[in-house]
Amino acid sequence: NAGVMQNPRHLVRRRGQEARLRCSPMKGHSHVYWYRQLPEEGLKFMVYLQKENIIDESGMPKERFSAEFPKEGPSILRIQQVVRGDSAAYFCASSPPRQFYEQYFGPGTRLTVT
Amino acid sequence: AQSVTQLDSQVPVFEEAPVELRCNYSSSVSVYLFWYVQYPNQGLQLLLKYLSGSTLVESINGFEAEFNKSQTSFHLRKPSVHISDTAEYFCAVSEPSSNTGKLIFGQGTTLQVKP
Repeated sequence: NAGVMQNPRHLVRRRGQEARLRCSPMKGHSHVYWYRQLPEEGLKFMVYLQKENIIDESGMPKERFSAEFPKEGPSILRIQQVVRGDSAAYFCASSPPRQFYEQYFGPGTRLTVT
Repeated sequence: AQSVTQLDSQVPVFEEAPVELRCNYSSSVSVYLFWYVQYPNQGLQLLLKYLSGSTLVESINGFEAEFNKSQTSFHLRKPSVHISDTAEYFCAVSEPSSNTGKLIFGQGTTLQVKP
């Protein structure tokens, strides 16, 4: 049973470009969470999604950031017009239905904005 | 609002010595509590969790944590550490009543085990 998969593992973007981060949850998991780890900080919750629904986006920046989890395919975290402050590690986690407390994390995508 | 405080940013310790990583939380409702471990350049791995029942929870690799409701703490302990325990450890909390599973993390504690 493969774990949570994220790609790419490393992503370099110039200021103003778009970044797309992908997350494939574990088999049988229908809940996806995105967290961001800024340098010298802990992880901060960004968004919680179920298939085709955003359940909680209280941690998402108001502008430039969006997330989706379509019926088919991976969850996507999209950052438009990236700035240097977006440089961070972005982690995805997934959990089985109704078991929010069983979150399994992927290896993360490290975004560097130059 | 919920918050988690890990009182030590770095804990250096010699191999085979005991260690305690401290975690305090604040919440006005009942919570679930977690410890995660992150090895360099890797994702987080769940070390142990408290949901209900016995306040002492154990992991398979010798760590244990005790939920203390009166002190709102969930300290992580190991009686004898190994070099391989060197990693960053995160304490986290969630509110089961919120139905979102959102984890609130502490700042992390870097455990450095020296030979």
